This record gives sequence, C-alpha cells and structure tokens, in this order.
Amino acid sequence: NAGVTQTPKFRILKIGQSMTLQCTQDMNHNYMYWYRQDPGMGLKLIYYSVGAGITDKGEVPNGYNVSRSTTEDFPLRLELAAPSQTSVYFCASSPGLATTDTQYFGPGTRLTVL
Amino acid sequence: AQTVTQSQPEMSVQEAETVTLSCTYDTSESDYYLFWYKQPPSRQMILVIRQEAYKQQNATENRFSVNFQKAAKSFSLKISDSQLGDAAMYFCAFREYGNKLVFGAGTILRVKS
Repeated sequence: NAGVTQTPKFRILKIGQSMTLQCTQDMNHNYMYWYRQDPGMGLKLIYYSVGAGITDKGEVPNGYNVSRSTTEDFPLRLELAAPSQTSVYFCASSPGLATTDTQYFGPGTRLTVL
Repeated sequence: AQTVTQSQPEMSVQEAETVTLSCTYDTSESDYYLFWYKQPPSRQMILVIRQEAYKQQNATENRFSVNFQKAAKSFSLKISDSQLGDAAMYFCAFREYGNKLVFGAGTILRVKS
C-alpha cells in the first residue's frame, strides 16, 4: 500500500493564480482531512470529509474549496492565491470514528505564493 | 473549542539522557484522546504515542511514555535513552469529535552527541 500520497511536493504560485493540490489514499478510509502548517506552527484543519459527497469546514477554510467524489481522492482547490496561503499542506485519512482510529498523513506539499 | 498549549518552543537533551516535553490542553469533554506526533526534517508526521482519557494507566511505547494528569489537563511526553534520531519537532494533539485533531504549536527537540 502507498498510504496517503500528495502531489505536487513543491509549488510556487503568483498572486491570483489558482491550483489544485491532489490527495489520494489507497486504504479505503472514510475520513479525509486537509491541514495547513505555517512556519514554526502546528497544523490547522482546513476542511474534512466523512465520506464521498460529504465535506465540512474546519478551523481555517477561507480561500479554499474541496470536493469528494470518490473514497480515494480529496483534492484541495485554491482559487485566488494570496501570500497568506504560503504554507505546507498535509492531507490525512482515517478509517472512521472507532476508538483506535489513527490519522495517517501524507508527505505534504510546500506552497509558496509570491 | 479545544486548545492545546506547548510552552517549550525548543528543548535540548544529551544523547542517552532523558527529556520531558510538556503539553496542556483545555476541554469540557470527559472522554477524548491525546496524541504525540513526531515531525522530522522530512516533514512526515509520525504517530509516537496515544492516550485514551478514560484509561488511568499512562501509555508507553518502547522509550516513549506519557504522564497523563486528567484533572490538571496535562499530557507530557518522556523520551528515555535519547537517540540522535529523536531530533525532530514534536506536536501534542487533541482529538475532538469527528476524529479531527487540534495541534499545539510544537516543540523542537535537539539531541546532542
């Protein structure tokens, strides 16, 4: 199993450009998450999904959109990139709400907006 | 909303010695889960240890153990026999409803040889 994969690993955007960060998991997990990590800080939840077709906002959703058409994929869309969105983005997944469920993280995407 | 506080931005430890990383949290829930994650320079998030709040016994994973004080809302991580490979950023995290994680700001651990 590859686990959680993210593409691209690095990206530089100009202000106002758009892009989609890809996230795929091959563990058949129901729950998927997007976090951002600003320099020297902990991760903050952007959006999450409890299954295909169901998404909800996290702590910092402004400037982002998500969709979940399949169990495996959970792309994150930036419509009008701003310097404040310079960050490292992590995708994660977990089986569900069982007490032993752990979140599995992807390797991250480093995004710079200039 | 739950909050997680890590008051030590940076810690240093000599190889083979023991170090303790602090974490406090705030919640009104009675049943929850707490985690310590390790983030090495590769940026990969690695689960170190997990504690279930209803269990009084402190969790242990090899050289890693926690001191969970529910009444004080404290959840510290002890690393024994520190190794060079332990050098990383360590995050304390609280799991709230929906399996969503709330992270602290992190503690950078440096290991001296």
